[in-house]
Amino acid sequence: DADVTQTPRNRITKTGKRIMLECSQTKGHDRMYWYRQDPGLGLRLIYYSFDVKDINKGEISDGYSVSRQAQAKFSLSLESAIPNQTALYFCATSDPGRTQETQYFGPGTRLLVL
Amino acid sequence: GQSLEQPSEVTAVEGAIVQINCTYQTSGFYGLSWYQQHDGGAPTFLSYNALDGLEETGRFSSFLSRSDSYGYLLLQELQMKDSASYFCAVREGTGGFKTIFGAGTRLFVKA
Repeated sequence: DADVTQTPRNRITKTGKRIMLECSQTKGHDRMYWYRQDPGLGLRLIYYSFDVKDINKGEISDGYSVSRQAQAKFSLSLESAIPNQTALYFCATSDPGRTQETQYFGPGTRLLVL
Repeated sequence: GQSLEQPSEVTAVEGAIVQINCTYQTSGFYGLSWYQQHDGGAPTFLSYNALDGLEETGRFSSFLSRSDSYGYLLLQELQMKDSASYFCAVREGTGGFKTIFGAGTRLFVKA
């Protein structure tokens, strides 16, 4: 079984709709992240959380919100989706106990906003 | 501000050696990582350098010069399966809070 899972894997929605992307992990890591990936722009950090009570904005948080329901679950919401939020979204986890911060990525959610 | 620069594309032949460079500008630098991403897949960790010098892992090596804010990934004995995108990433900020990724280098390996 995958250590980091994302649902849904693909989603098509319309402008103005609210949608939620979910991430679950079985790695036991405290740190979780949401990134979006656009062609030629690499991975850009949206939000990150270092534990259940900790939420931080990343580079591009406008138009997004997150919820850390438990250590293992981190959800990303688009309150009112717009076409330029069409992208590939990745959830990731990391272990702060290591000297190096290896990030473990989920399989991604491909989102299309019409 | 913070930024990472790496070439957008590199092409090499099977069996050859290729070097992918990365220069960075960040505050509170902690280390430089490299990730590989195949088309349709998720990024996967390759290597990490916190100190100056070369780290070797099989066919892949990674180098860091903190004084030059520069690093590279070296891939030897290239195989077709190495065709992928490669991202450098810096761990930065007070307490190593965030990892910032470069835009990625697309590597094409030709037969």
